[in-house]
Amino acid sequence: KAGVTQTPRYLIKTRGQQVTLSCSPISGHRSVSWYQQTPGQGLQFLFEYFSETQRNKGNFPGRFSGRQFSNSRSEMNVSTLELGDSALYLCASSLGWGELNTEAFFGQGTRLTVV
Amino acid sequence: GDSVTQMEGPVTLSEEAFLTINCTYTATGYPSLFWYVQYPGEGLQLLLKATKADDKGSNKGFEATYRKETTSFHLEKGSVQVSDSAVYFCALSSNAGGTSYGKLTFGQGTILTVHP
Repeated sequence: KAGVTQTPRYLIKTRGQQVTLSCSPISGHRSVSWYQQTPGQGLQFLFEYFSETQRNKGNFPGRFSGRQFSNSRSEMNVSTLELGDSALYLCASSLGWGELNTEAFFGQGTRLTVV
Repeated sequence: GDSVTQMEGPVTLSEEAFLTINCTYTATGYPSLFWYVQYPGEGLQLLLKATKADDKGSNKGFEATYRKETTSFHLEKGSVQVSDSAVYFCALSSNAGGTSYGKLTFGQGTILTVHP
């Protein structure tokens, strides 16, 4: 069974640009969450999608957005990139939403560098 | 809000030493607790979990017990190996108010290095 796939693995962008990251969850999983990992702030929750609807959102500015498609694949977008957006962005998929004992499976992440 | 505090790292041990990484939490409701491990250049892998008080999660020789009275979930292993070198994250997921289990709150991570 294929795991969580994130593309691209590495990305270099210039300040002010925008970027779109993609995540394909494990087959049959309907919930996708996104996290930002930086050395200073650690792992921080960005948002969670289930059935194409955002169910939870972390404390990030509106420049960070996401969406989920009917096949459960998800994308996140960061507009007007800042140097501080440089991070490893991790996607996690889980079976459902609000279910007991569900566990999150993580992808390998997308390493974004803003120059 | 929810929070997780891990012991300060990094931790350096010799092979076959005993490992403890402390983790305490603050949460509303009855959270589920997890330990994730991250190897260099990779994403997070679930190491073990516990979903209710007094549950013991275990995997690959690692164990952690959900202690509600002390709000703790310490990770232990009796004999570490060089291959255990990685970053370990304690995390919680709370379903208070119907919030889904998809939102994880992580500790800051503990770097473990095991020398031969």
